[in-house]
Amino acid sequence: GAVVSQHPSRVICKSGTSVKIECRSLDFQATTMFWYRQFPKQSLMLMATSNEGSKATYEQGVEKDKFLINHASLTLSTLTVTSAHPEDSSFYICSARDIGNEQYFGPGTRLTVT
Amino acid sequence: AQSVSQHNHHVILSEAASLELGCNYSYGGTVNLFWYVQYPGQHLQLLLKYFSGDPLVKGIKGFEAEFIKSKFSFNLRKPSVQWSDTAEYFCAVNFMDSNYQLIWGAGTKLIIKP
Repeated sequence: GAVVSQHPSRVICKSGTSVKIECRSLDFQATTMFWYRQFPKQSLMLMATSNEGSKATYEQGVEKDKFLINHASLTLSTLTVTSAHPEDSSFYICSARDIGNEQYFGPGTRLTVT
Repeated sequence: AQSVSQHNHHVILSEAASLELGCNYSYGGTVNLFWYVQYPGQHLQLLLKYFSGDPLVKGIKGFEAEFIKSKFSFNLRKPSVQWSDTAEYFCAVNFMDSNYQLIWGAGTKLIIKP
């Protein structure tokens, strides 16, 4: 089946630094990728929808200057958390949609900001 | 806005008990329906999905779900649970009339007592 990878799986960074998370579709092309954030004991929240070659569409309340999304190719999207703060600590999950409109999820990235 | 609700946030059962987890969604036209599972320390995995056809869907690990269109429901069932079913279960709905936006329920944490 289709596989989506994320790198890194865990990252610890200091407050004020930036962190980049990669999301790759390994065996299919994904024109659309999604970035989610999972707060403890809550559901996944969609942060943004990323279409290859165009600007990402951010959900209400998500700061686009803080969470930079780049979707440079049909198999790679990146999320950069700029000037990270402890409240940005969370579990970030990406998904990629194939031509059949099914979404495949990456394993997630645990970000801890100290 | 479309929404998905899961009725129980926490469910505790004994092994061999029957399971039913509720999932309801708001009206939104044509939908695709999913149940995902997240085992402790692991990433999201697809349990089963409904796109069209037989409303009773069989998934992996003995799970099934029934789509009842008139009730806007897609409840997950398993006749006899095992300790290894301890996990968090998420219902998700793809609202096709809303640009295939995938909306998630809040999740149900299932604990099976051995």
